[in-house]
Amino acid sequence: NAGVMQNPRHLVRRRGQEARLRCSPMKGHSHVYWYRQLPEEGLKFMVYLQKENIIDESGMPKERFSAEFPKEGPSILRIQQVVRGDSAAYFCASSLGEGEFFGPGTRLTVL
Amino acid sequence: GESVGLHLPTLSVQEGDNSIINCAYSNSASDYFIWYKQESGKGPQFIIDIRSNMDKRQGQRVTVLLNKTVKHLSLQIAATQPGDSAVYFCAEKTGANNLFFGTGTRLTVIP
Repeated sequence: NAGVMQNPRHLVRRRGQEARLRCSPMKGHSHVYWYRQLPEEGLKFMVYLQKENIIDESGMPKERFSAEFPKEGPSILRIQQVVRGDSAAYFCASSLGEGEFFGPGTRLTVL
Repeated sequence: GESVGLHLPTLSVQEGDNSIINCAYSNSASDYFIWYKQESGKGPQFIIDIRSNMDKRQGQRVTVLLNKTVKHLSLQIAATQPGDSAVYFCAEKTGANNLFFGTGTRLTVIP
């Protein structure tokens, strides 16, 4: 039973470009969460999705950031017109409702 | 050795000793708690969880204690090993909502 998968593991973008981060939850898990982590800090919640629905996006910036979890395929976190402050590790977690299991993360570097 | 979380974010212990990592949580409505271990460059790894109707839960070499009166959580690691060196986060949750992470404690095991 594969765990949560994320790709790419590392992503480098120049300012103004778009970043797309993908997350495939554990088999059977219908809840997906995205978190952001800066060095030496804890994880900060961004968005919680279920299939085709955004349940809670209170932690996600209103501009430039969007997320989706389509009926088929992985969840996508999209960052448009990236800025240097977007550089961080982005983690996806999936669950059946309580315990969350994390993927290896995508490390985004904005030049 | 013992950590008080926010006030002492690092903890060094001798190999073979027991470790205690403490965490204060913020939301009295939280009903589910998880301890995660995060090694450098990796995603958080689920260690042990506890529901609010319990005050103690044991796993393999780990024990989690929950004191709801003072909103305090601790993780005890028995016979600490070099492989236990990592950053440990406590996280709280209400229902199926997202996790709120604590600051984290860096545990260093001295061989």
